[in-house]
Amino acid sequence: SAVISQKPSRDICQRGTSLTIQCQVDSQVTMMFWYRQQPGQSLTLIATANQGSEATYESGFVIDKFPISRPNLTFSTLTVSNMSPEDSSIYLCSVDRTSTDTQYFGPGTRLTVL
Amino acid sequence: AQKVTQAQTEISVVEKEDVTLDCVYETRDTTYYLFWYKQPPSGELVFLIRRNSFDEQNEISGRYSWNFQKSTSSFNFTITASQVVDSAVYFCALSATRNNNAGNMLTFGGGTRLMVKP
Repeated sequence: SAVISQKPSRDICQRGTSLTIQCQVDSQVTMMFWYRQQPGQSLTLIATANQGSEATYESGFVIDKFPISRPNLTFSTLTVSNMSPEDSSIYLCSVDRTSTDTQYFGPGTRLTVL
Repeated sequence: AQKVTQAQTEISVVEKEDVTLDCVYETRDTTYYLFWYKQPPSGELVFLIRRNSFDEQNEISGRYSWNFQKSTSSFNFTITASQVVDSAVYFCALSATRNNNAGNMLTFGGGTRLMVKP
């Protein structure tokens, strides 16, 4: 399985600010995914990031609120913009090794917005 | 539309008991994958198993076993002789291929919190 790291591991932010979360993979992958897990809830897909093209967002998520970059095959960032307390969640990135059709997840970023 | 249902929100057992976590899914796809993930208190999601929709063989890995029944759209997970370290939230998930070149999408169930008491 791929080794996936995320930075920061956790953060406490003020309302109205933005936070950029980084996801780094130790090997080249085609697809990278960003999920949100609100407190006590399941995971919801925010968007899919394919290198060289615009990210594909799921219903309920928009680029202005969650801009994503995918500059190369091993790295992606997710920005949570103009944060409110409702954005307090764990944000996880995952990668899809197409040869196995299995998504492996990073350790997550635990975000608290005050 | 795809859906995964984990009816058990919380299960509490005493160490060494066997426990089964239920998962029922809905999909119109003929080809799909089913997964189980473990999320310990640290928050990281740990991959446990992937099952292809064409492979209904049950699988055993140590104390873990999985029962896939297409006829009932279920993919249940059993832990034998549970241990305190098994305490975690377990998620069942369903993968479907999308036609928009956006890769496979995982639909997660609501999760089952398993508490194993010493």
